[in-house]
Amino acid sequence: EAGVAQSPRYKIIEKRQSVAFWCNPISGHATLYWYQQILGQGPKLLIQFQNNGVVDDSQLPKDRFSAERLKGVDSTLKIQPAKLEDSAVYLCASSPRTGGSYEQYFGPGTRLTVT
Amino acid sequence: AQRVTQPEKLLSVFKGAPVELKCNYSYSGSPELFWYVQYSRQRLQLLLRHISRESIKGFTADLNKGETSFHLKKPFAQEEDSAMYYCALSGQGSARQLTFGSGTQLTVLP
Repeated sequence: EAGVAQSPRYKIIEKRQSVAFWCNPISGHATLYWYQQILGQGPKLLIQFQNNGVVDDSQLPKDRFSAERLKGVDSTLKIQPAKLEDSAVYLCASSPRTGGSYEQYFGPGTRLTVT
Repeated sequence: AQRVTQPEKLLSVFKGAPVELKCNYSYSGSPELFWYVQYSRQRLQLLLRHISRESIKGFTADLNKGETSFHLKKPFAQEEDSAMYYCALSGQGSARQLTFGSGTQLTVLP
């Protein structure tokens, strides 16, 4: 099966600019996650969707970050305006299960550099 | 709050030597523990989970609730084991989100 797809793979922007990331999960996976991974740290969950509803966005900086999952399939994560500390790899993952033990399948990530 | 601690950022061993990657966690309930691995230029992928009690690529990990640890072990390291390893915890809530440790970069020397 095709894996989780993300684009772009790399993005360089200046602070105060806007940027958007796209994720296409594995077909049929109900749950979708966005993680932020800062250099030297493990991935940190930003938001979790189940189908097209938000399950958890407690760690999403809502003053500048937004995310949506239209029709319960693809998802976009937006940062507006970007700050220097937003430089990180943004990972998208999907899972086939809505409850119980499950495995998350990760995309290749988008490396964002804010200058 | 749930937390995962991996005390070693870097670990080097020689080929054929035993390897142990440490993971300690903090969680008030009964967690699910996982090890994820990222090989060079590859995606983050699941290596093993404690509930399945399986051995993957010769690696095993036992959940020790008394010591709140989930160390990853392999008796004889191979060069292809060189990678970044992340320990992760999932709580019992409906969201079942993962909390990751900061990772250990394992290098197996020839």
